Formats: sequence, C-alpha cells, structure tokens
Amino acid sequence: GAVVSQHPSWVICKSGTSVKIECRSLDFQATTMFWYRQFPKQSLMLMATSNEGSKATYEQGVEKDKFLINHASLTLSTLTVTSAHPEDSSFYICSARGVPDHNEQFFGPGTRLTVL
Amino acid sequence: AQSVTQPDIHITVSEGASLELRCNYSYGATPYLFWYVQSPGQGLQLLLKYFSGDTLVQGIKGFEAEFKRSQSSFNLRKPSVHWSDAAEYFCAVASGYSSASKIIFGSGTRLSIRP
Repeated sequence: GAVVSQHPSWVICKSGTSVKIECRSLDFQATTMFWYRQFPKQSLMLMATSNEGSKATYEQGVEKDKFLINHASLTLSTLTVTSAHPEDSSFYICSARGVPDHNEQFFGPGTRLTVL
Repeated sequence: AQSVTQPDIHITVSEGASLELRCNYSYGATPYLFWYVQSPGQGLQLLLKYFSGDTLVQGIKGFEAEFKRSQSSFNLRKPSVHWSDAAEYFCAVASGYSSASKIIFGSGTRLSIRP
C-alpha cells in the first residue's frame, strides 16, 4: 500500500511557541489530506481537510488561526500549531488520499505533541 | 449526519478464542465502511473496507466483517485471536467518494488477550 510519513514523530515544546508537523505521501500524489487529533484513549477527531492548492476546510470548533494547514504540493501538507498551550498536547495524525486509488485514505504514523 | 457507534469500550478474550467487535452506523444512503487497528502509540492500519457487493468482507490478518443493512451494523470477526491482536480497533464510515468526503470514526474498542 501507499506510504505516508510524518515528521517529527514526537515533539516537546514550551507554552507559547509554534510547532510545525509535516505529512508526506512518499509514493503517490495526495490530492486530499486530512488532519486528525487523538486524545489519550479516545478516538480520532477530524480537524480539517485540505486539497492541494486550496485553503483547508476546518471542522466546527477547530480554530483555523491556531491550527494552520498548508497543502502546497501533491506530496506535502503541514500543520502548524501556533502559540501552543498544554491543552494542545495530543497525538496528531494525518492521512492522504489521491492518485491512483481515491478509495482509501492512508494514515501516517502520528506525531506526539507535548506542550510544557 | 453520519455517525458510528462502538458499544464495547474494552473486550478481553482468551488466546485462540473467537472474537466479534460490534459496530453500528447511522447514515441515510449506502455507507462506505471501514475497520482500522491501532497499536499503542502508532498510526492506523486498514483491516478491511466495504463499498458494495458481497456483504461479507475479508480483510488482512484473518479478520472479516459482515455488512447488515437491516441492522445498520458492520461487525468485525476473527475465528481465533492471537496475542498480537491486542490493540485498539476503530470502525469508521465515509460519506462517499469524492475529494470532499470525510471519514468519521467510532470511539474505539480496546482488545486485550488473555494468555
């Protein structure tokens, strides 16, 4: 199957700083990428959907100015958590869908963010 | 709006025993349904998916699931579990297949295996 990577796999930062998480499709073109967050022992909650070259569509309740998403190419999407606070600590997972198989999302391994 | 319910938060079964994880969905049209598995601290792995056709779907690692429209269910089964099957299992539904369709996840069922 197609491979999606995330970088970094974990990050610890101080409150107030910004953190960027990368999501890459390694062997296919990702026309659509999704960002999820997962709190401990909970399910994945969709944060936003991004199509290459377009602005991301955010789910209700997700602050677009806090969680900046850029999908500038068919293989890369980034999520920037701006002015991070301890409540932003979570497991962030991206997924990608695209060519040739539009019928499946491929998930990245996730990024553990801890804000001190 | 579509939704997924996994009524069992945690299930423990003995190694070698059979397994059934329950999933109910709510969606007006024909749903696209998935089962994913997540090991601790890891991403998601697709076990199987149902789009149309045969309502009994075979997946990886010996798992299968049956789509029952009359019961709005998509339960996951395995005839004999292995200790390596211990993980979190998520049922999910997608609204359709366009670039705008989204996958909605259930709350998950944690599977523990008794030696």
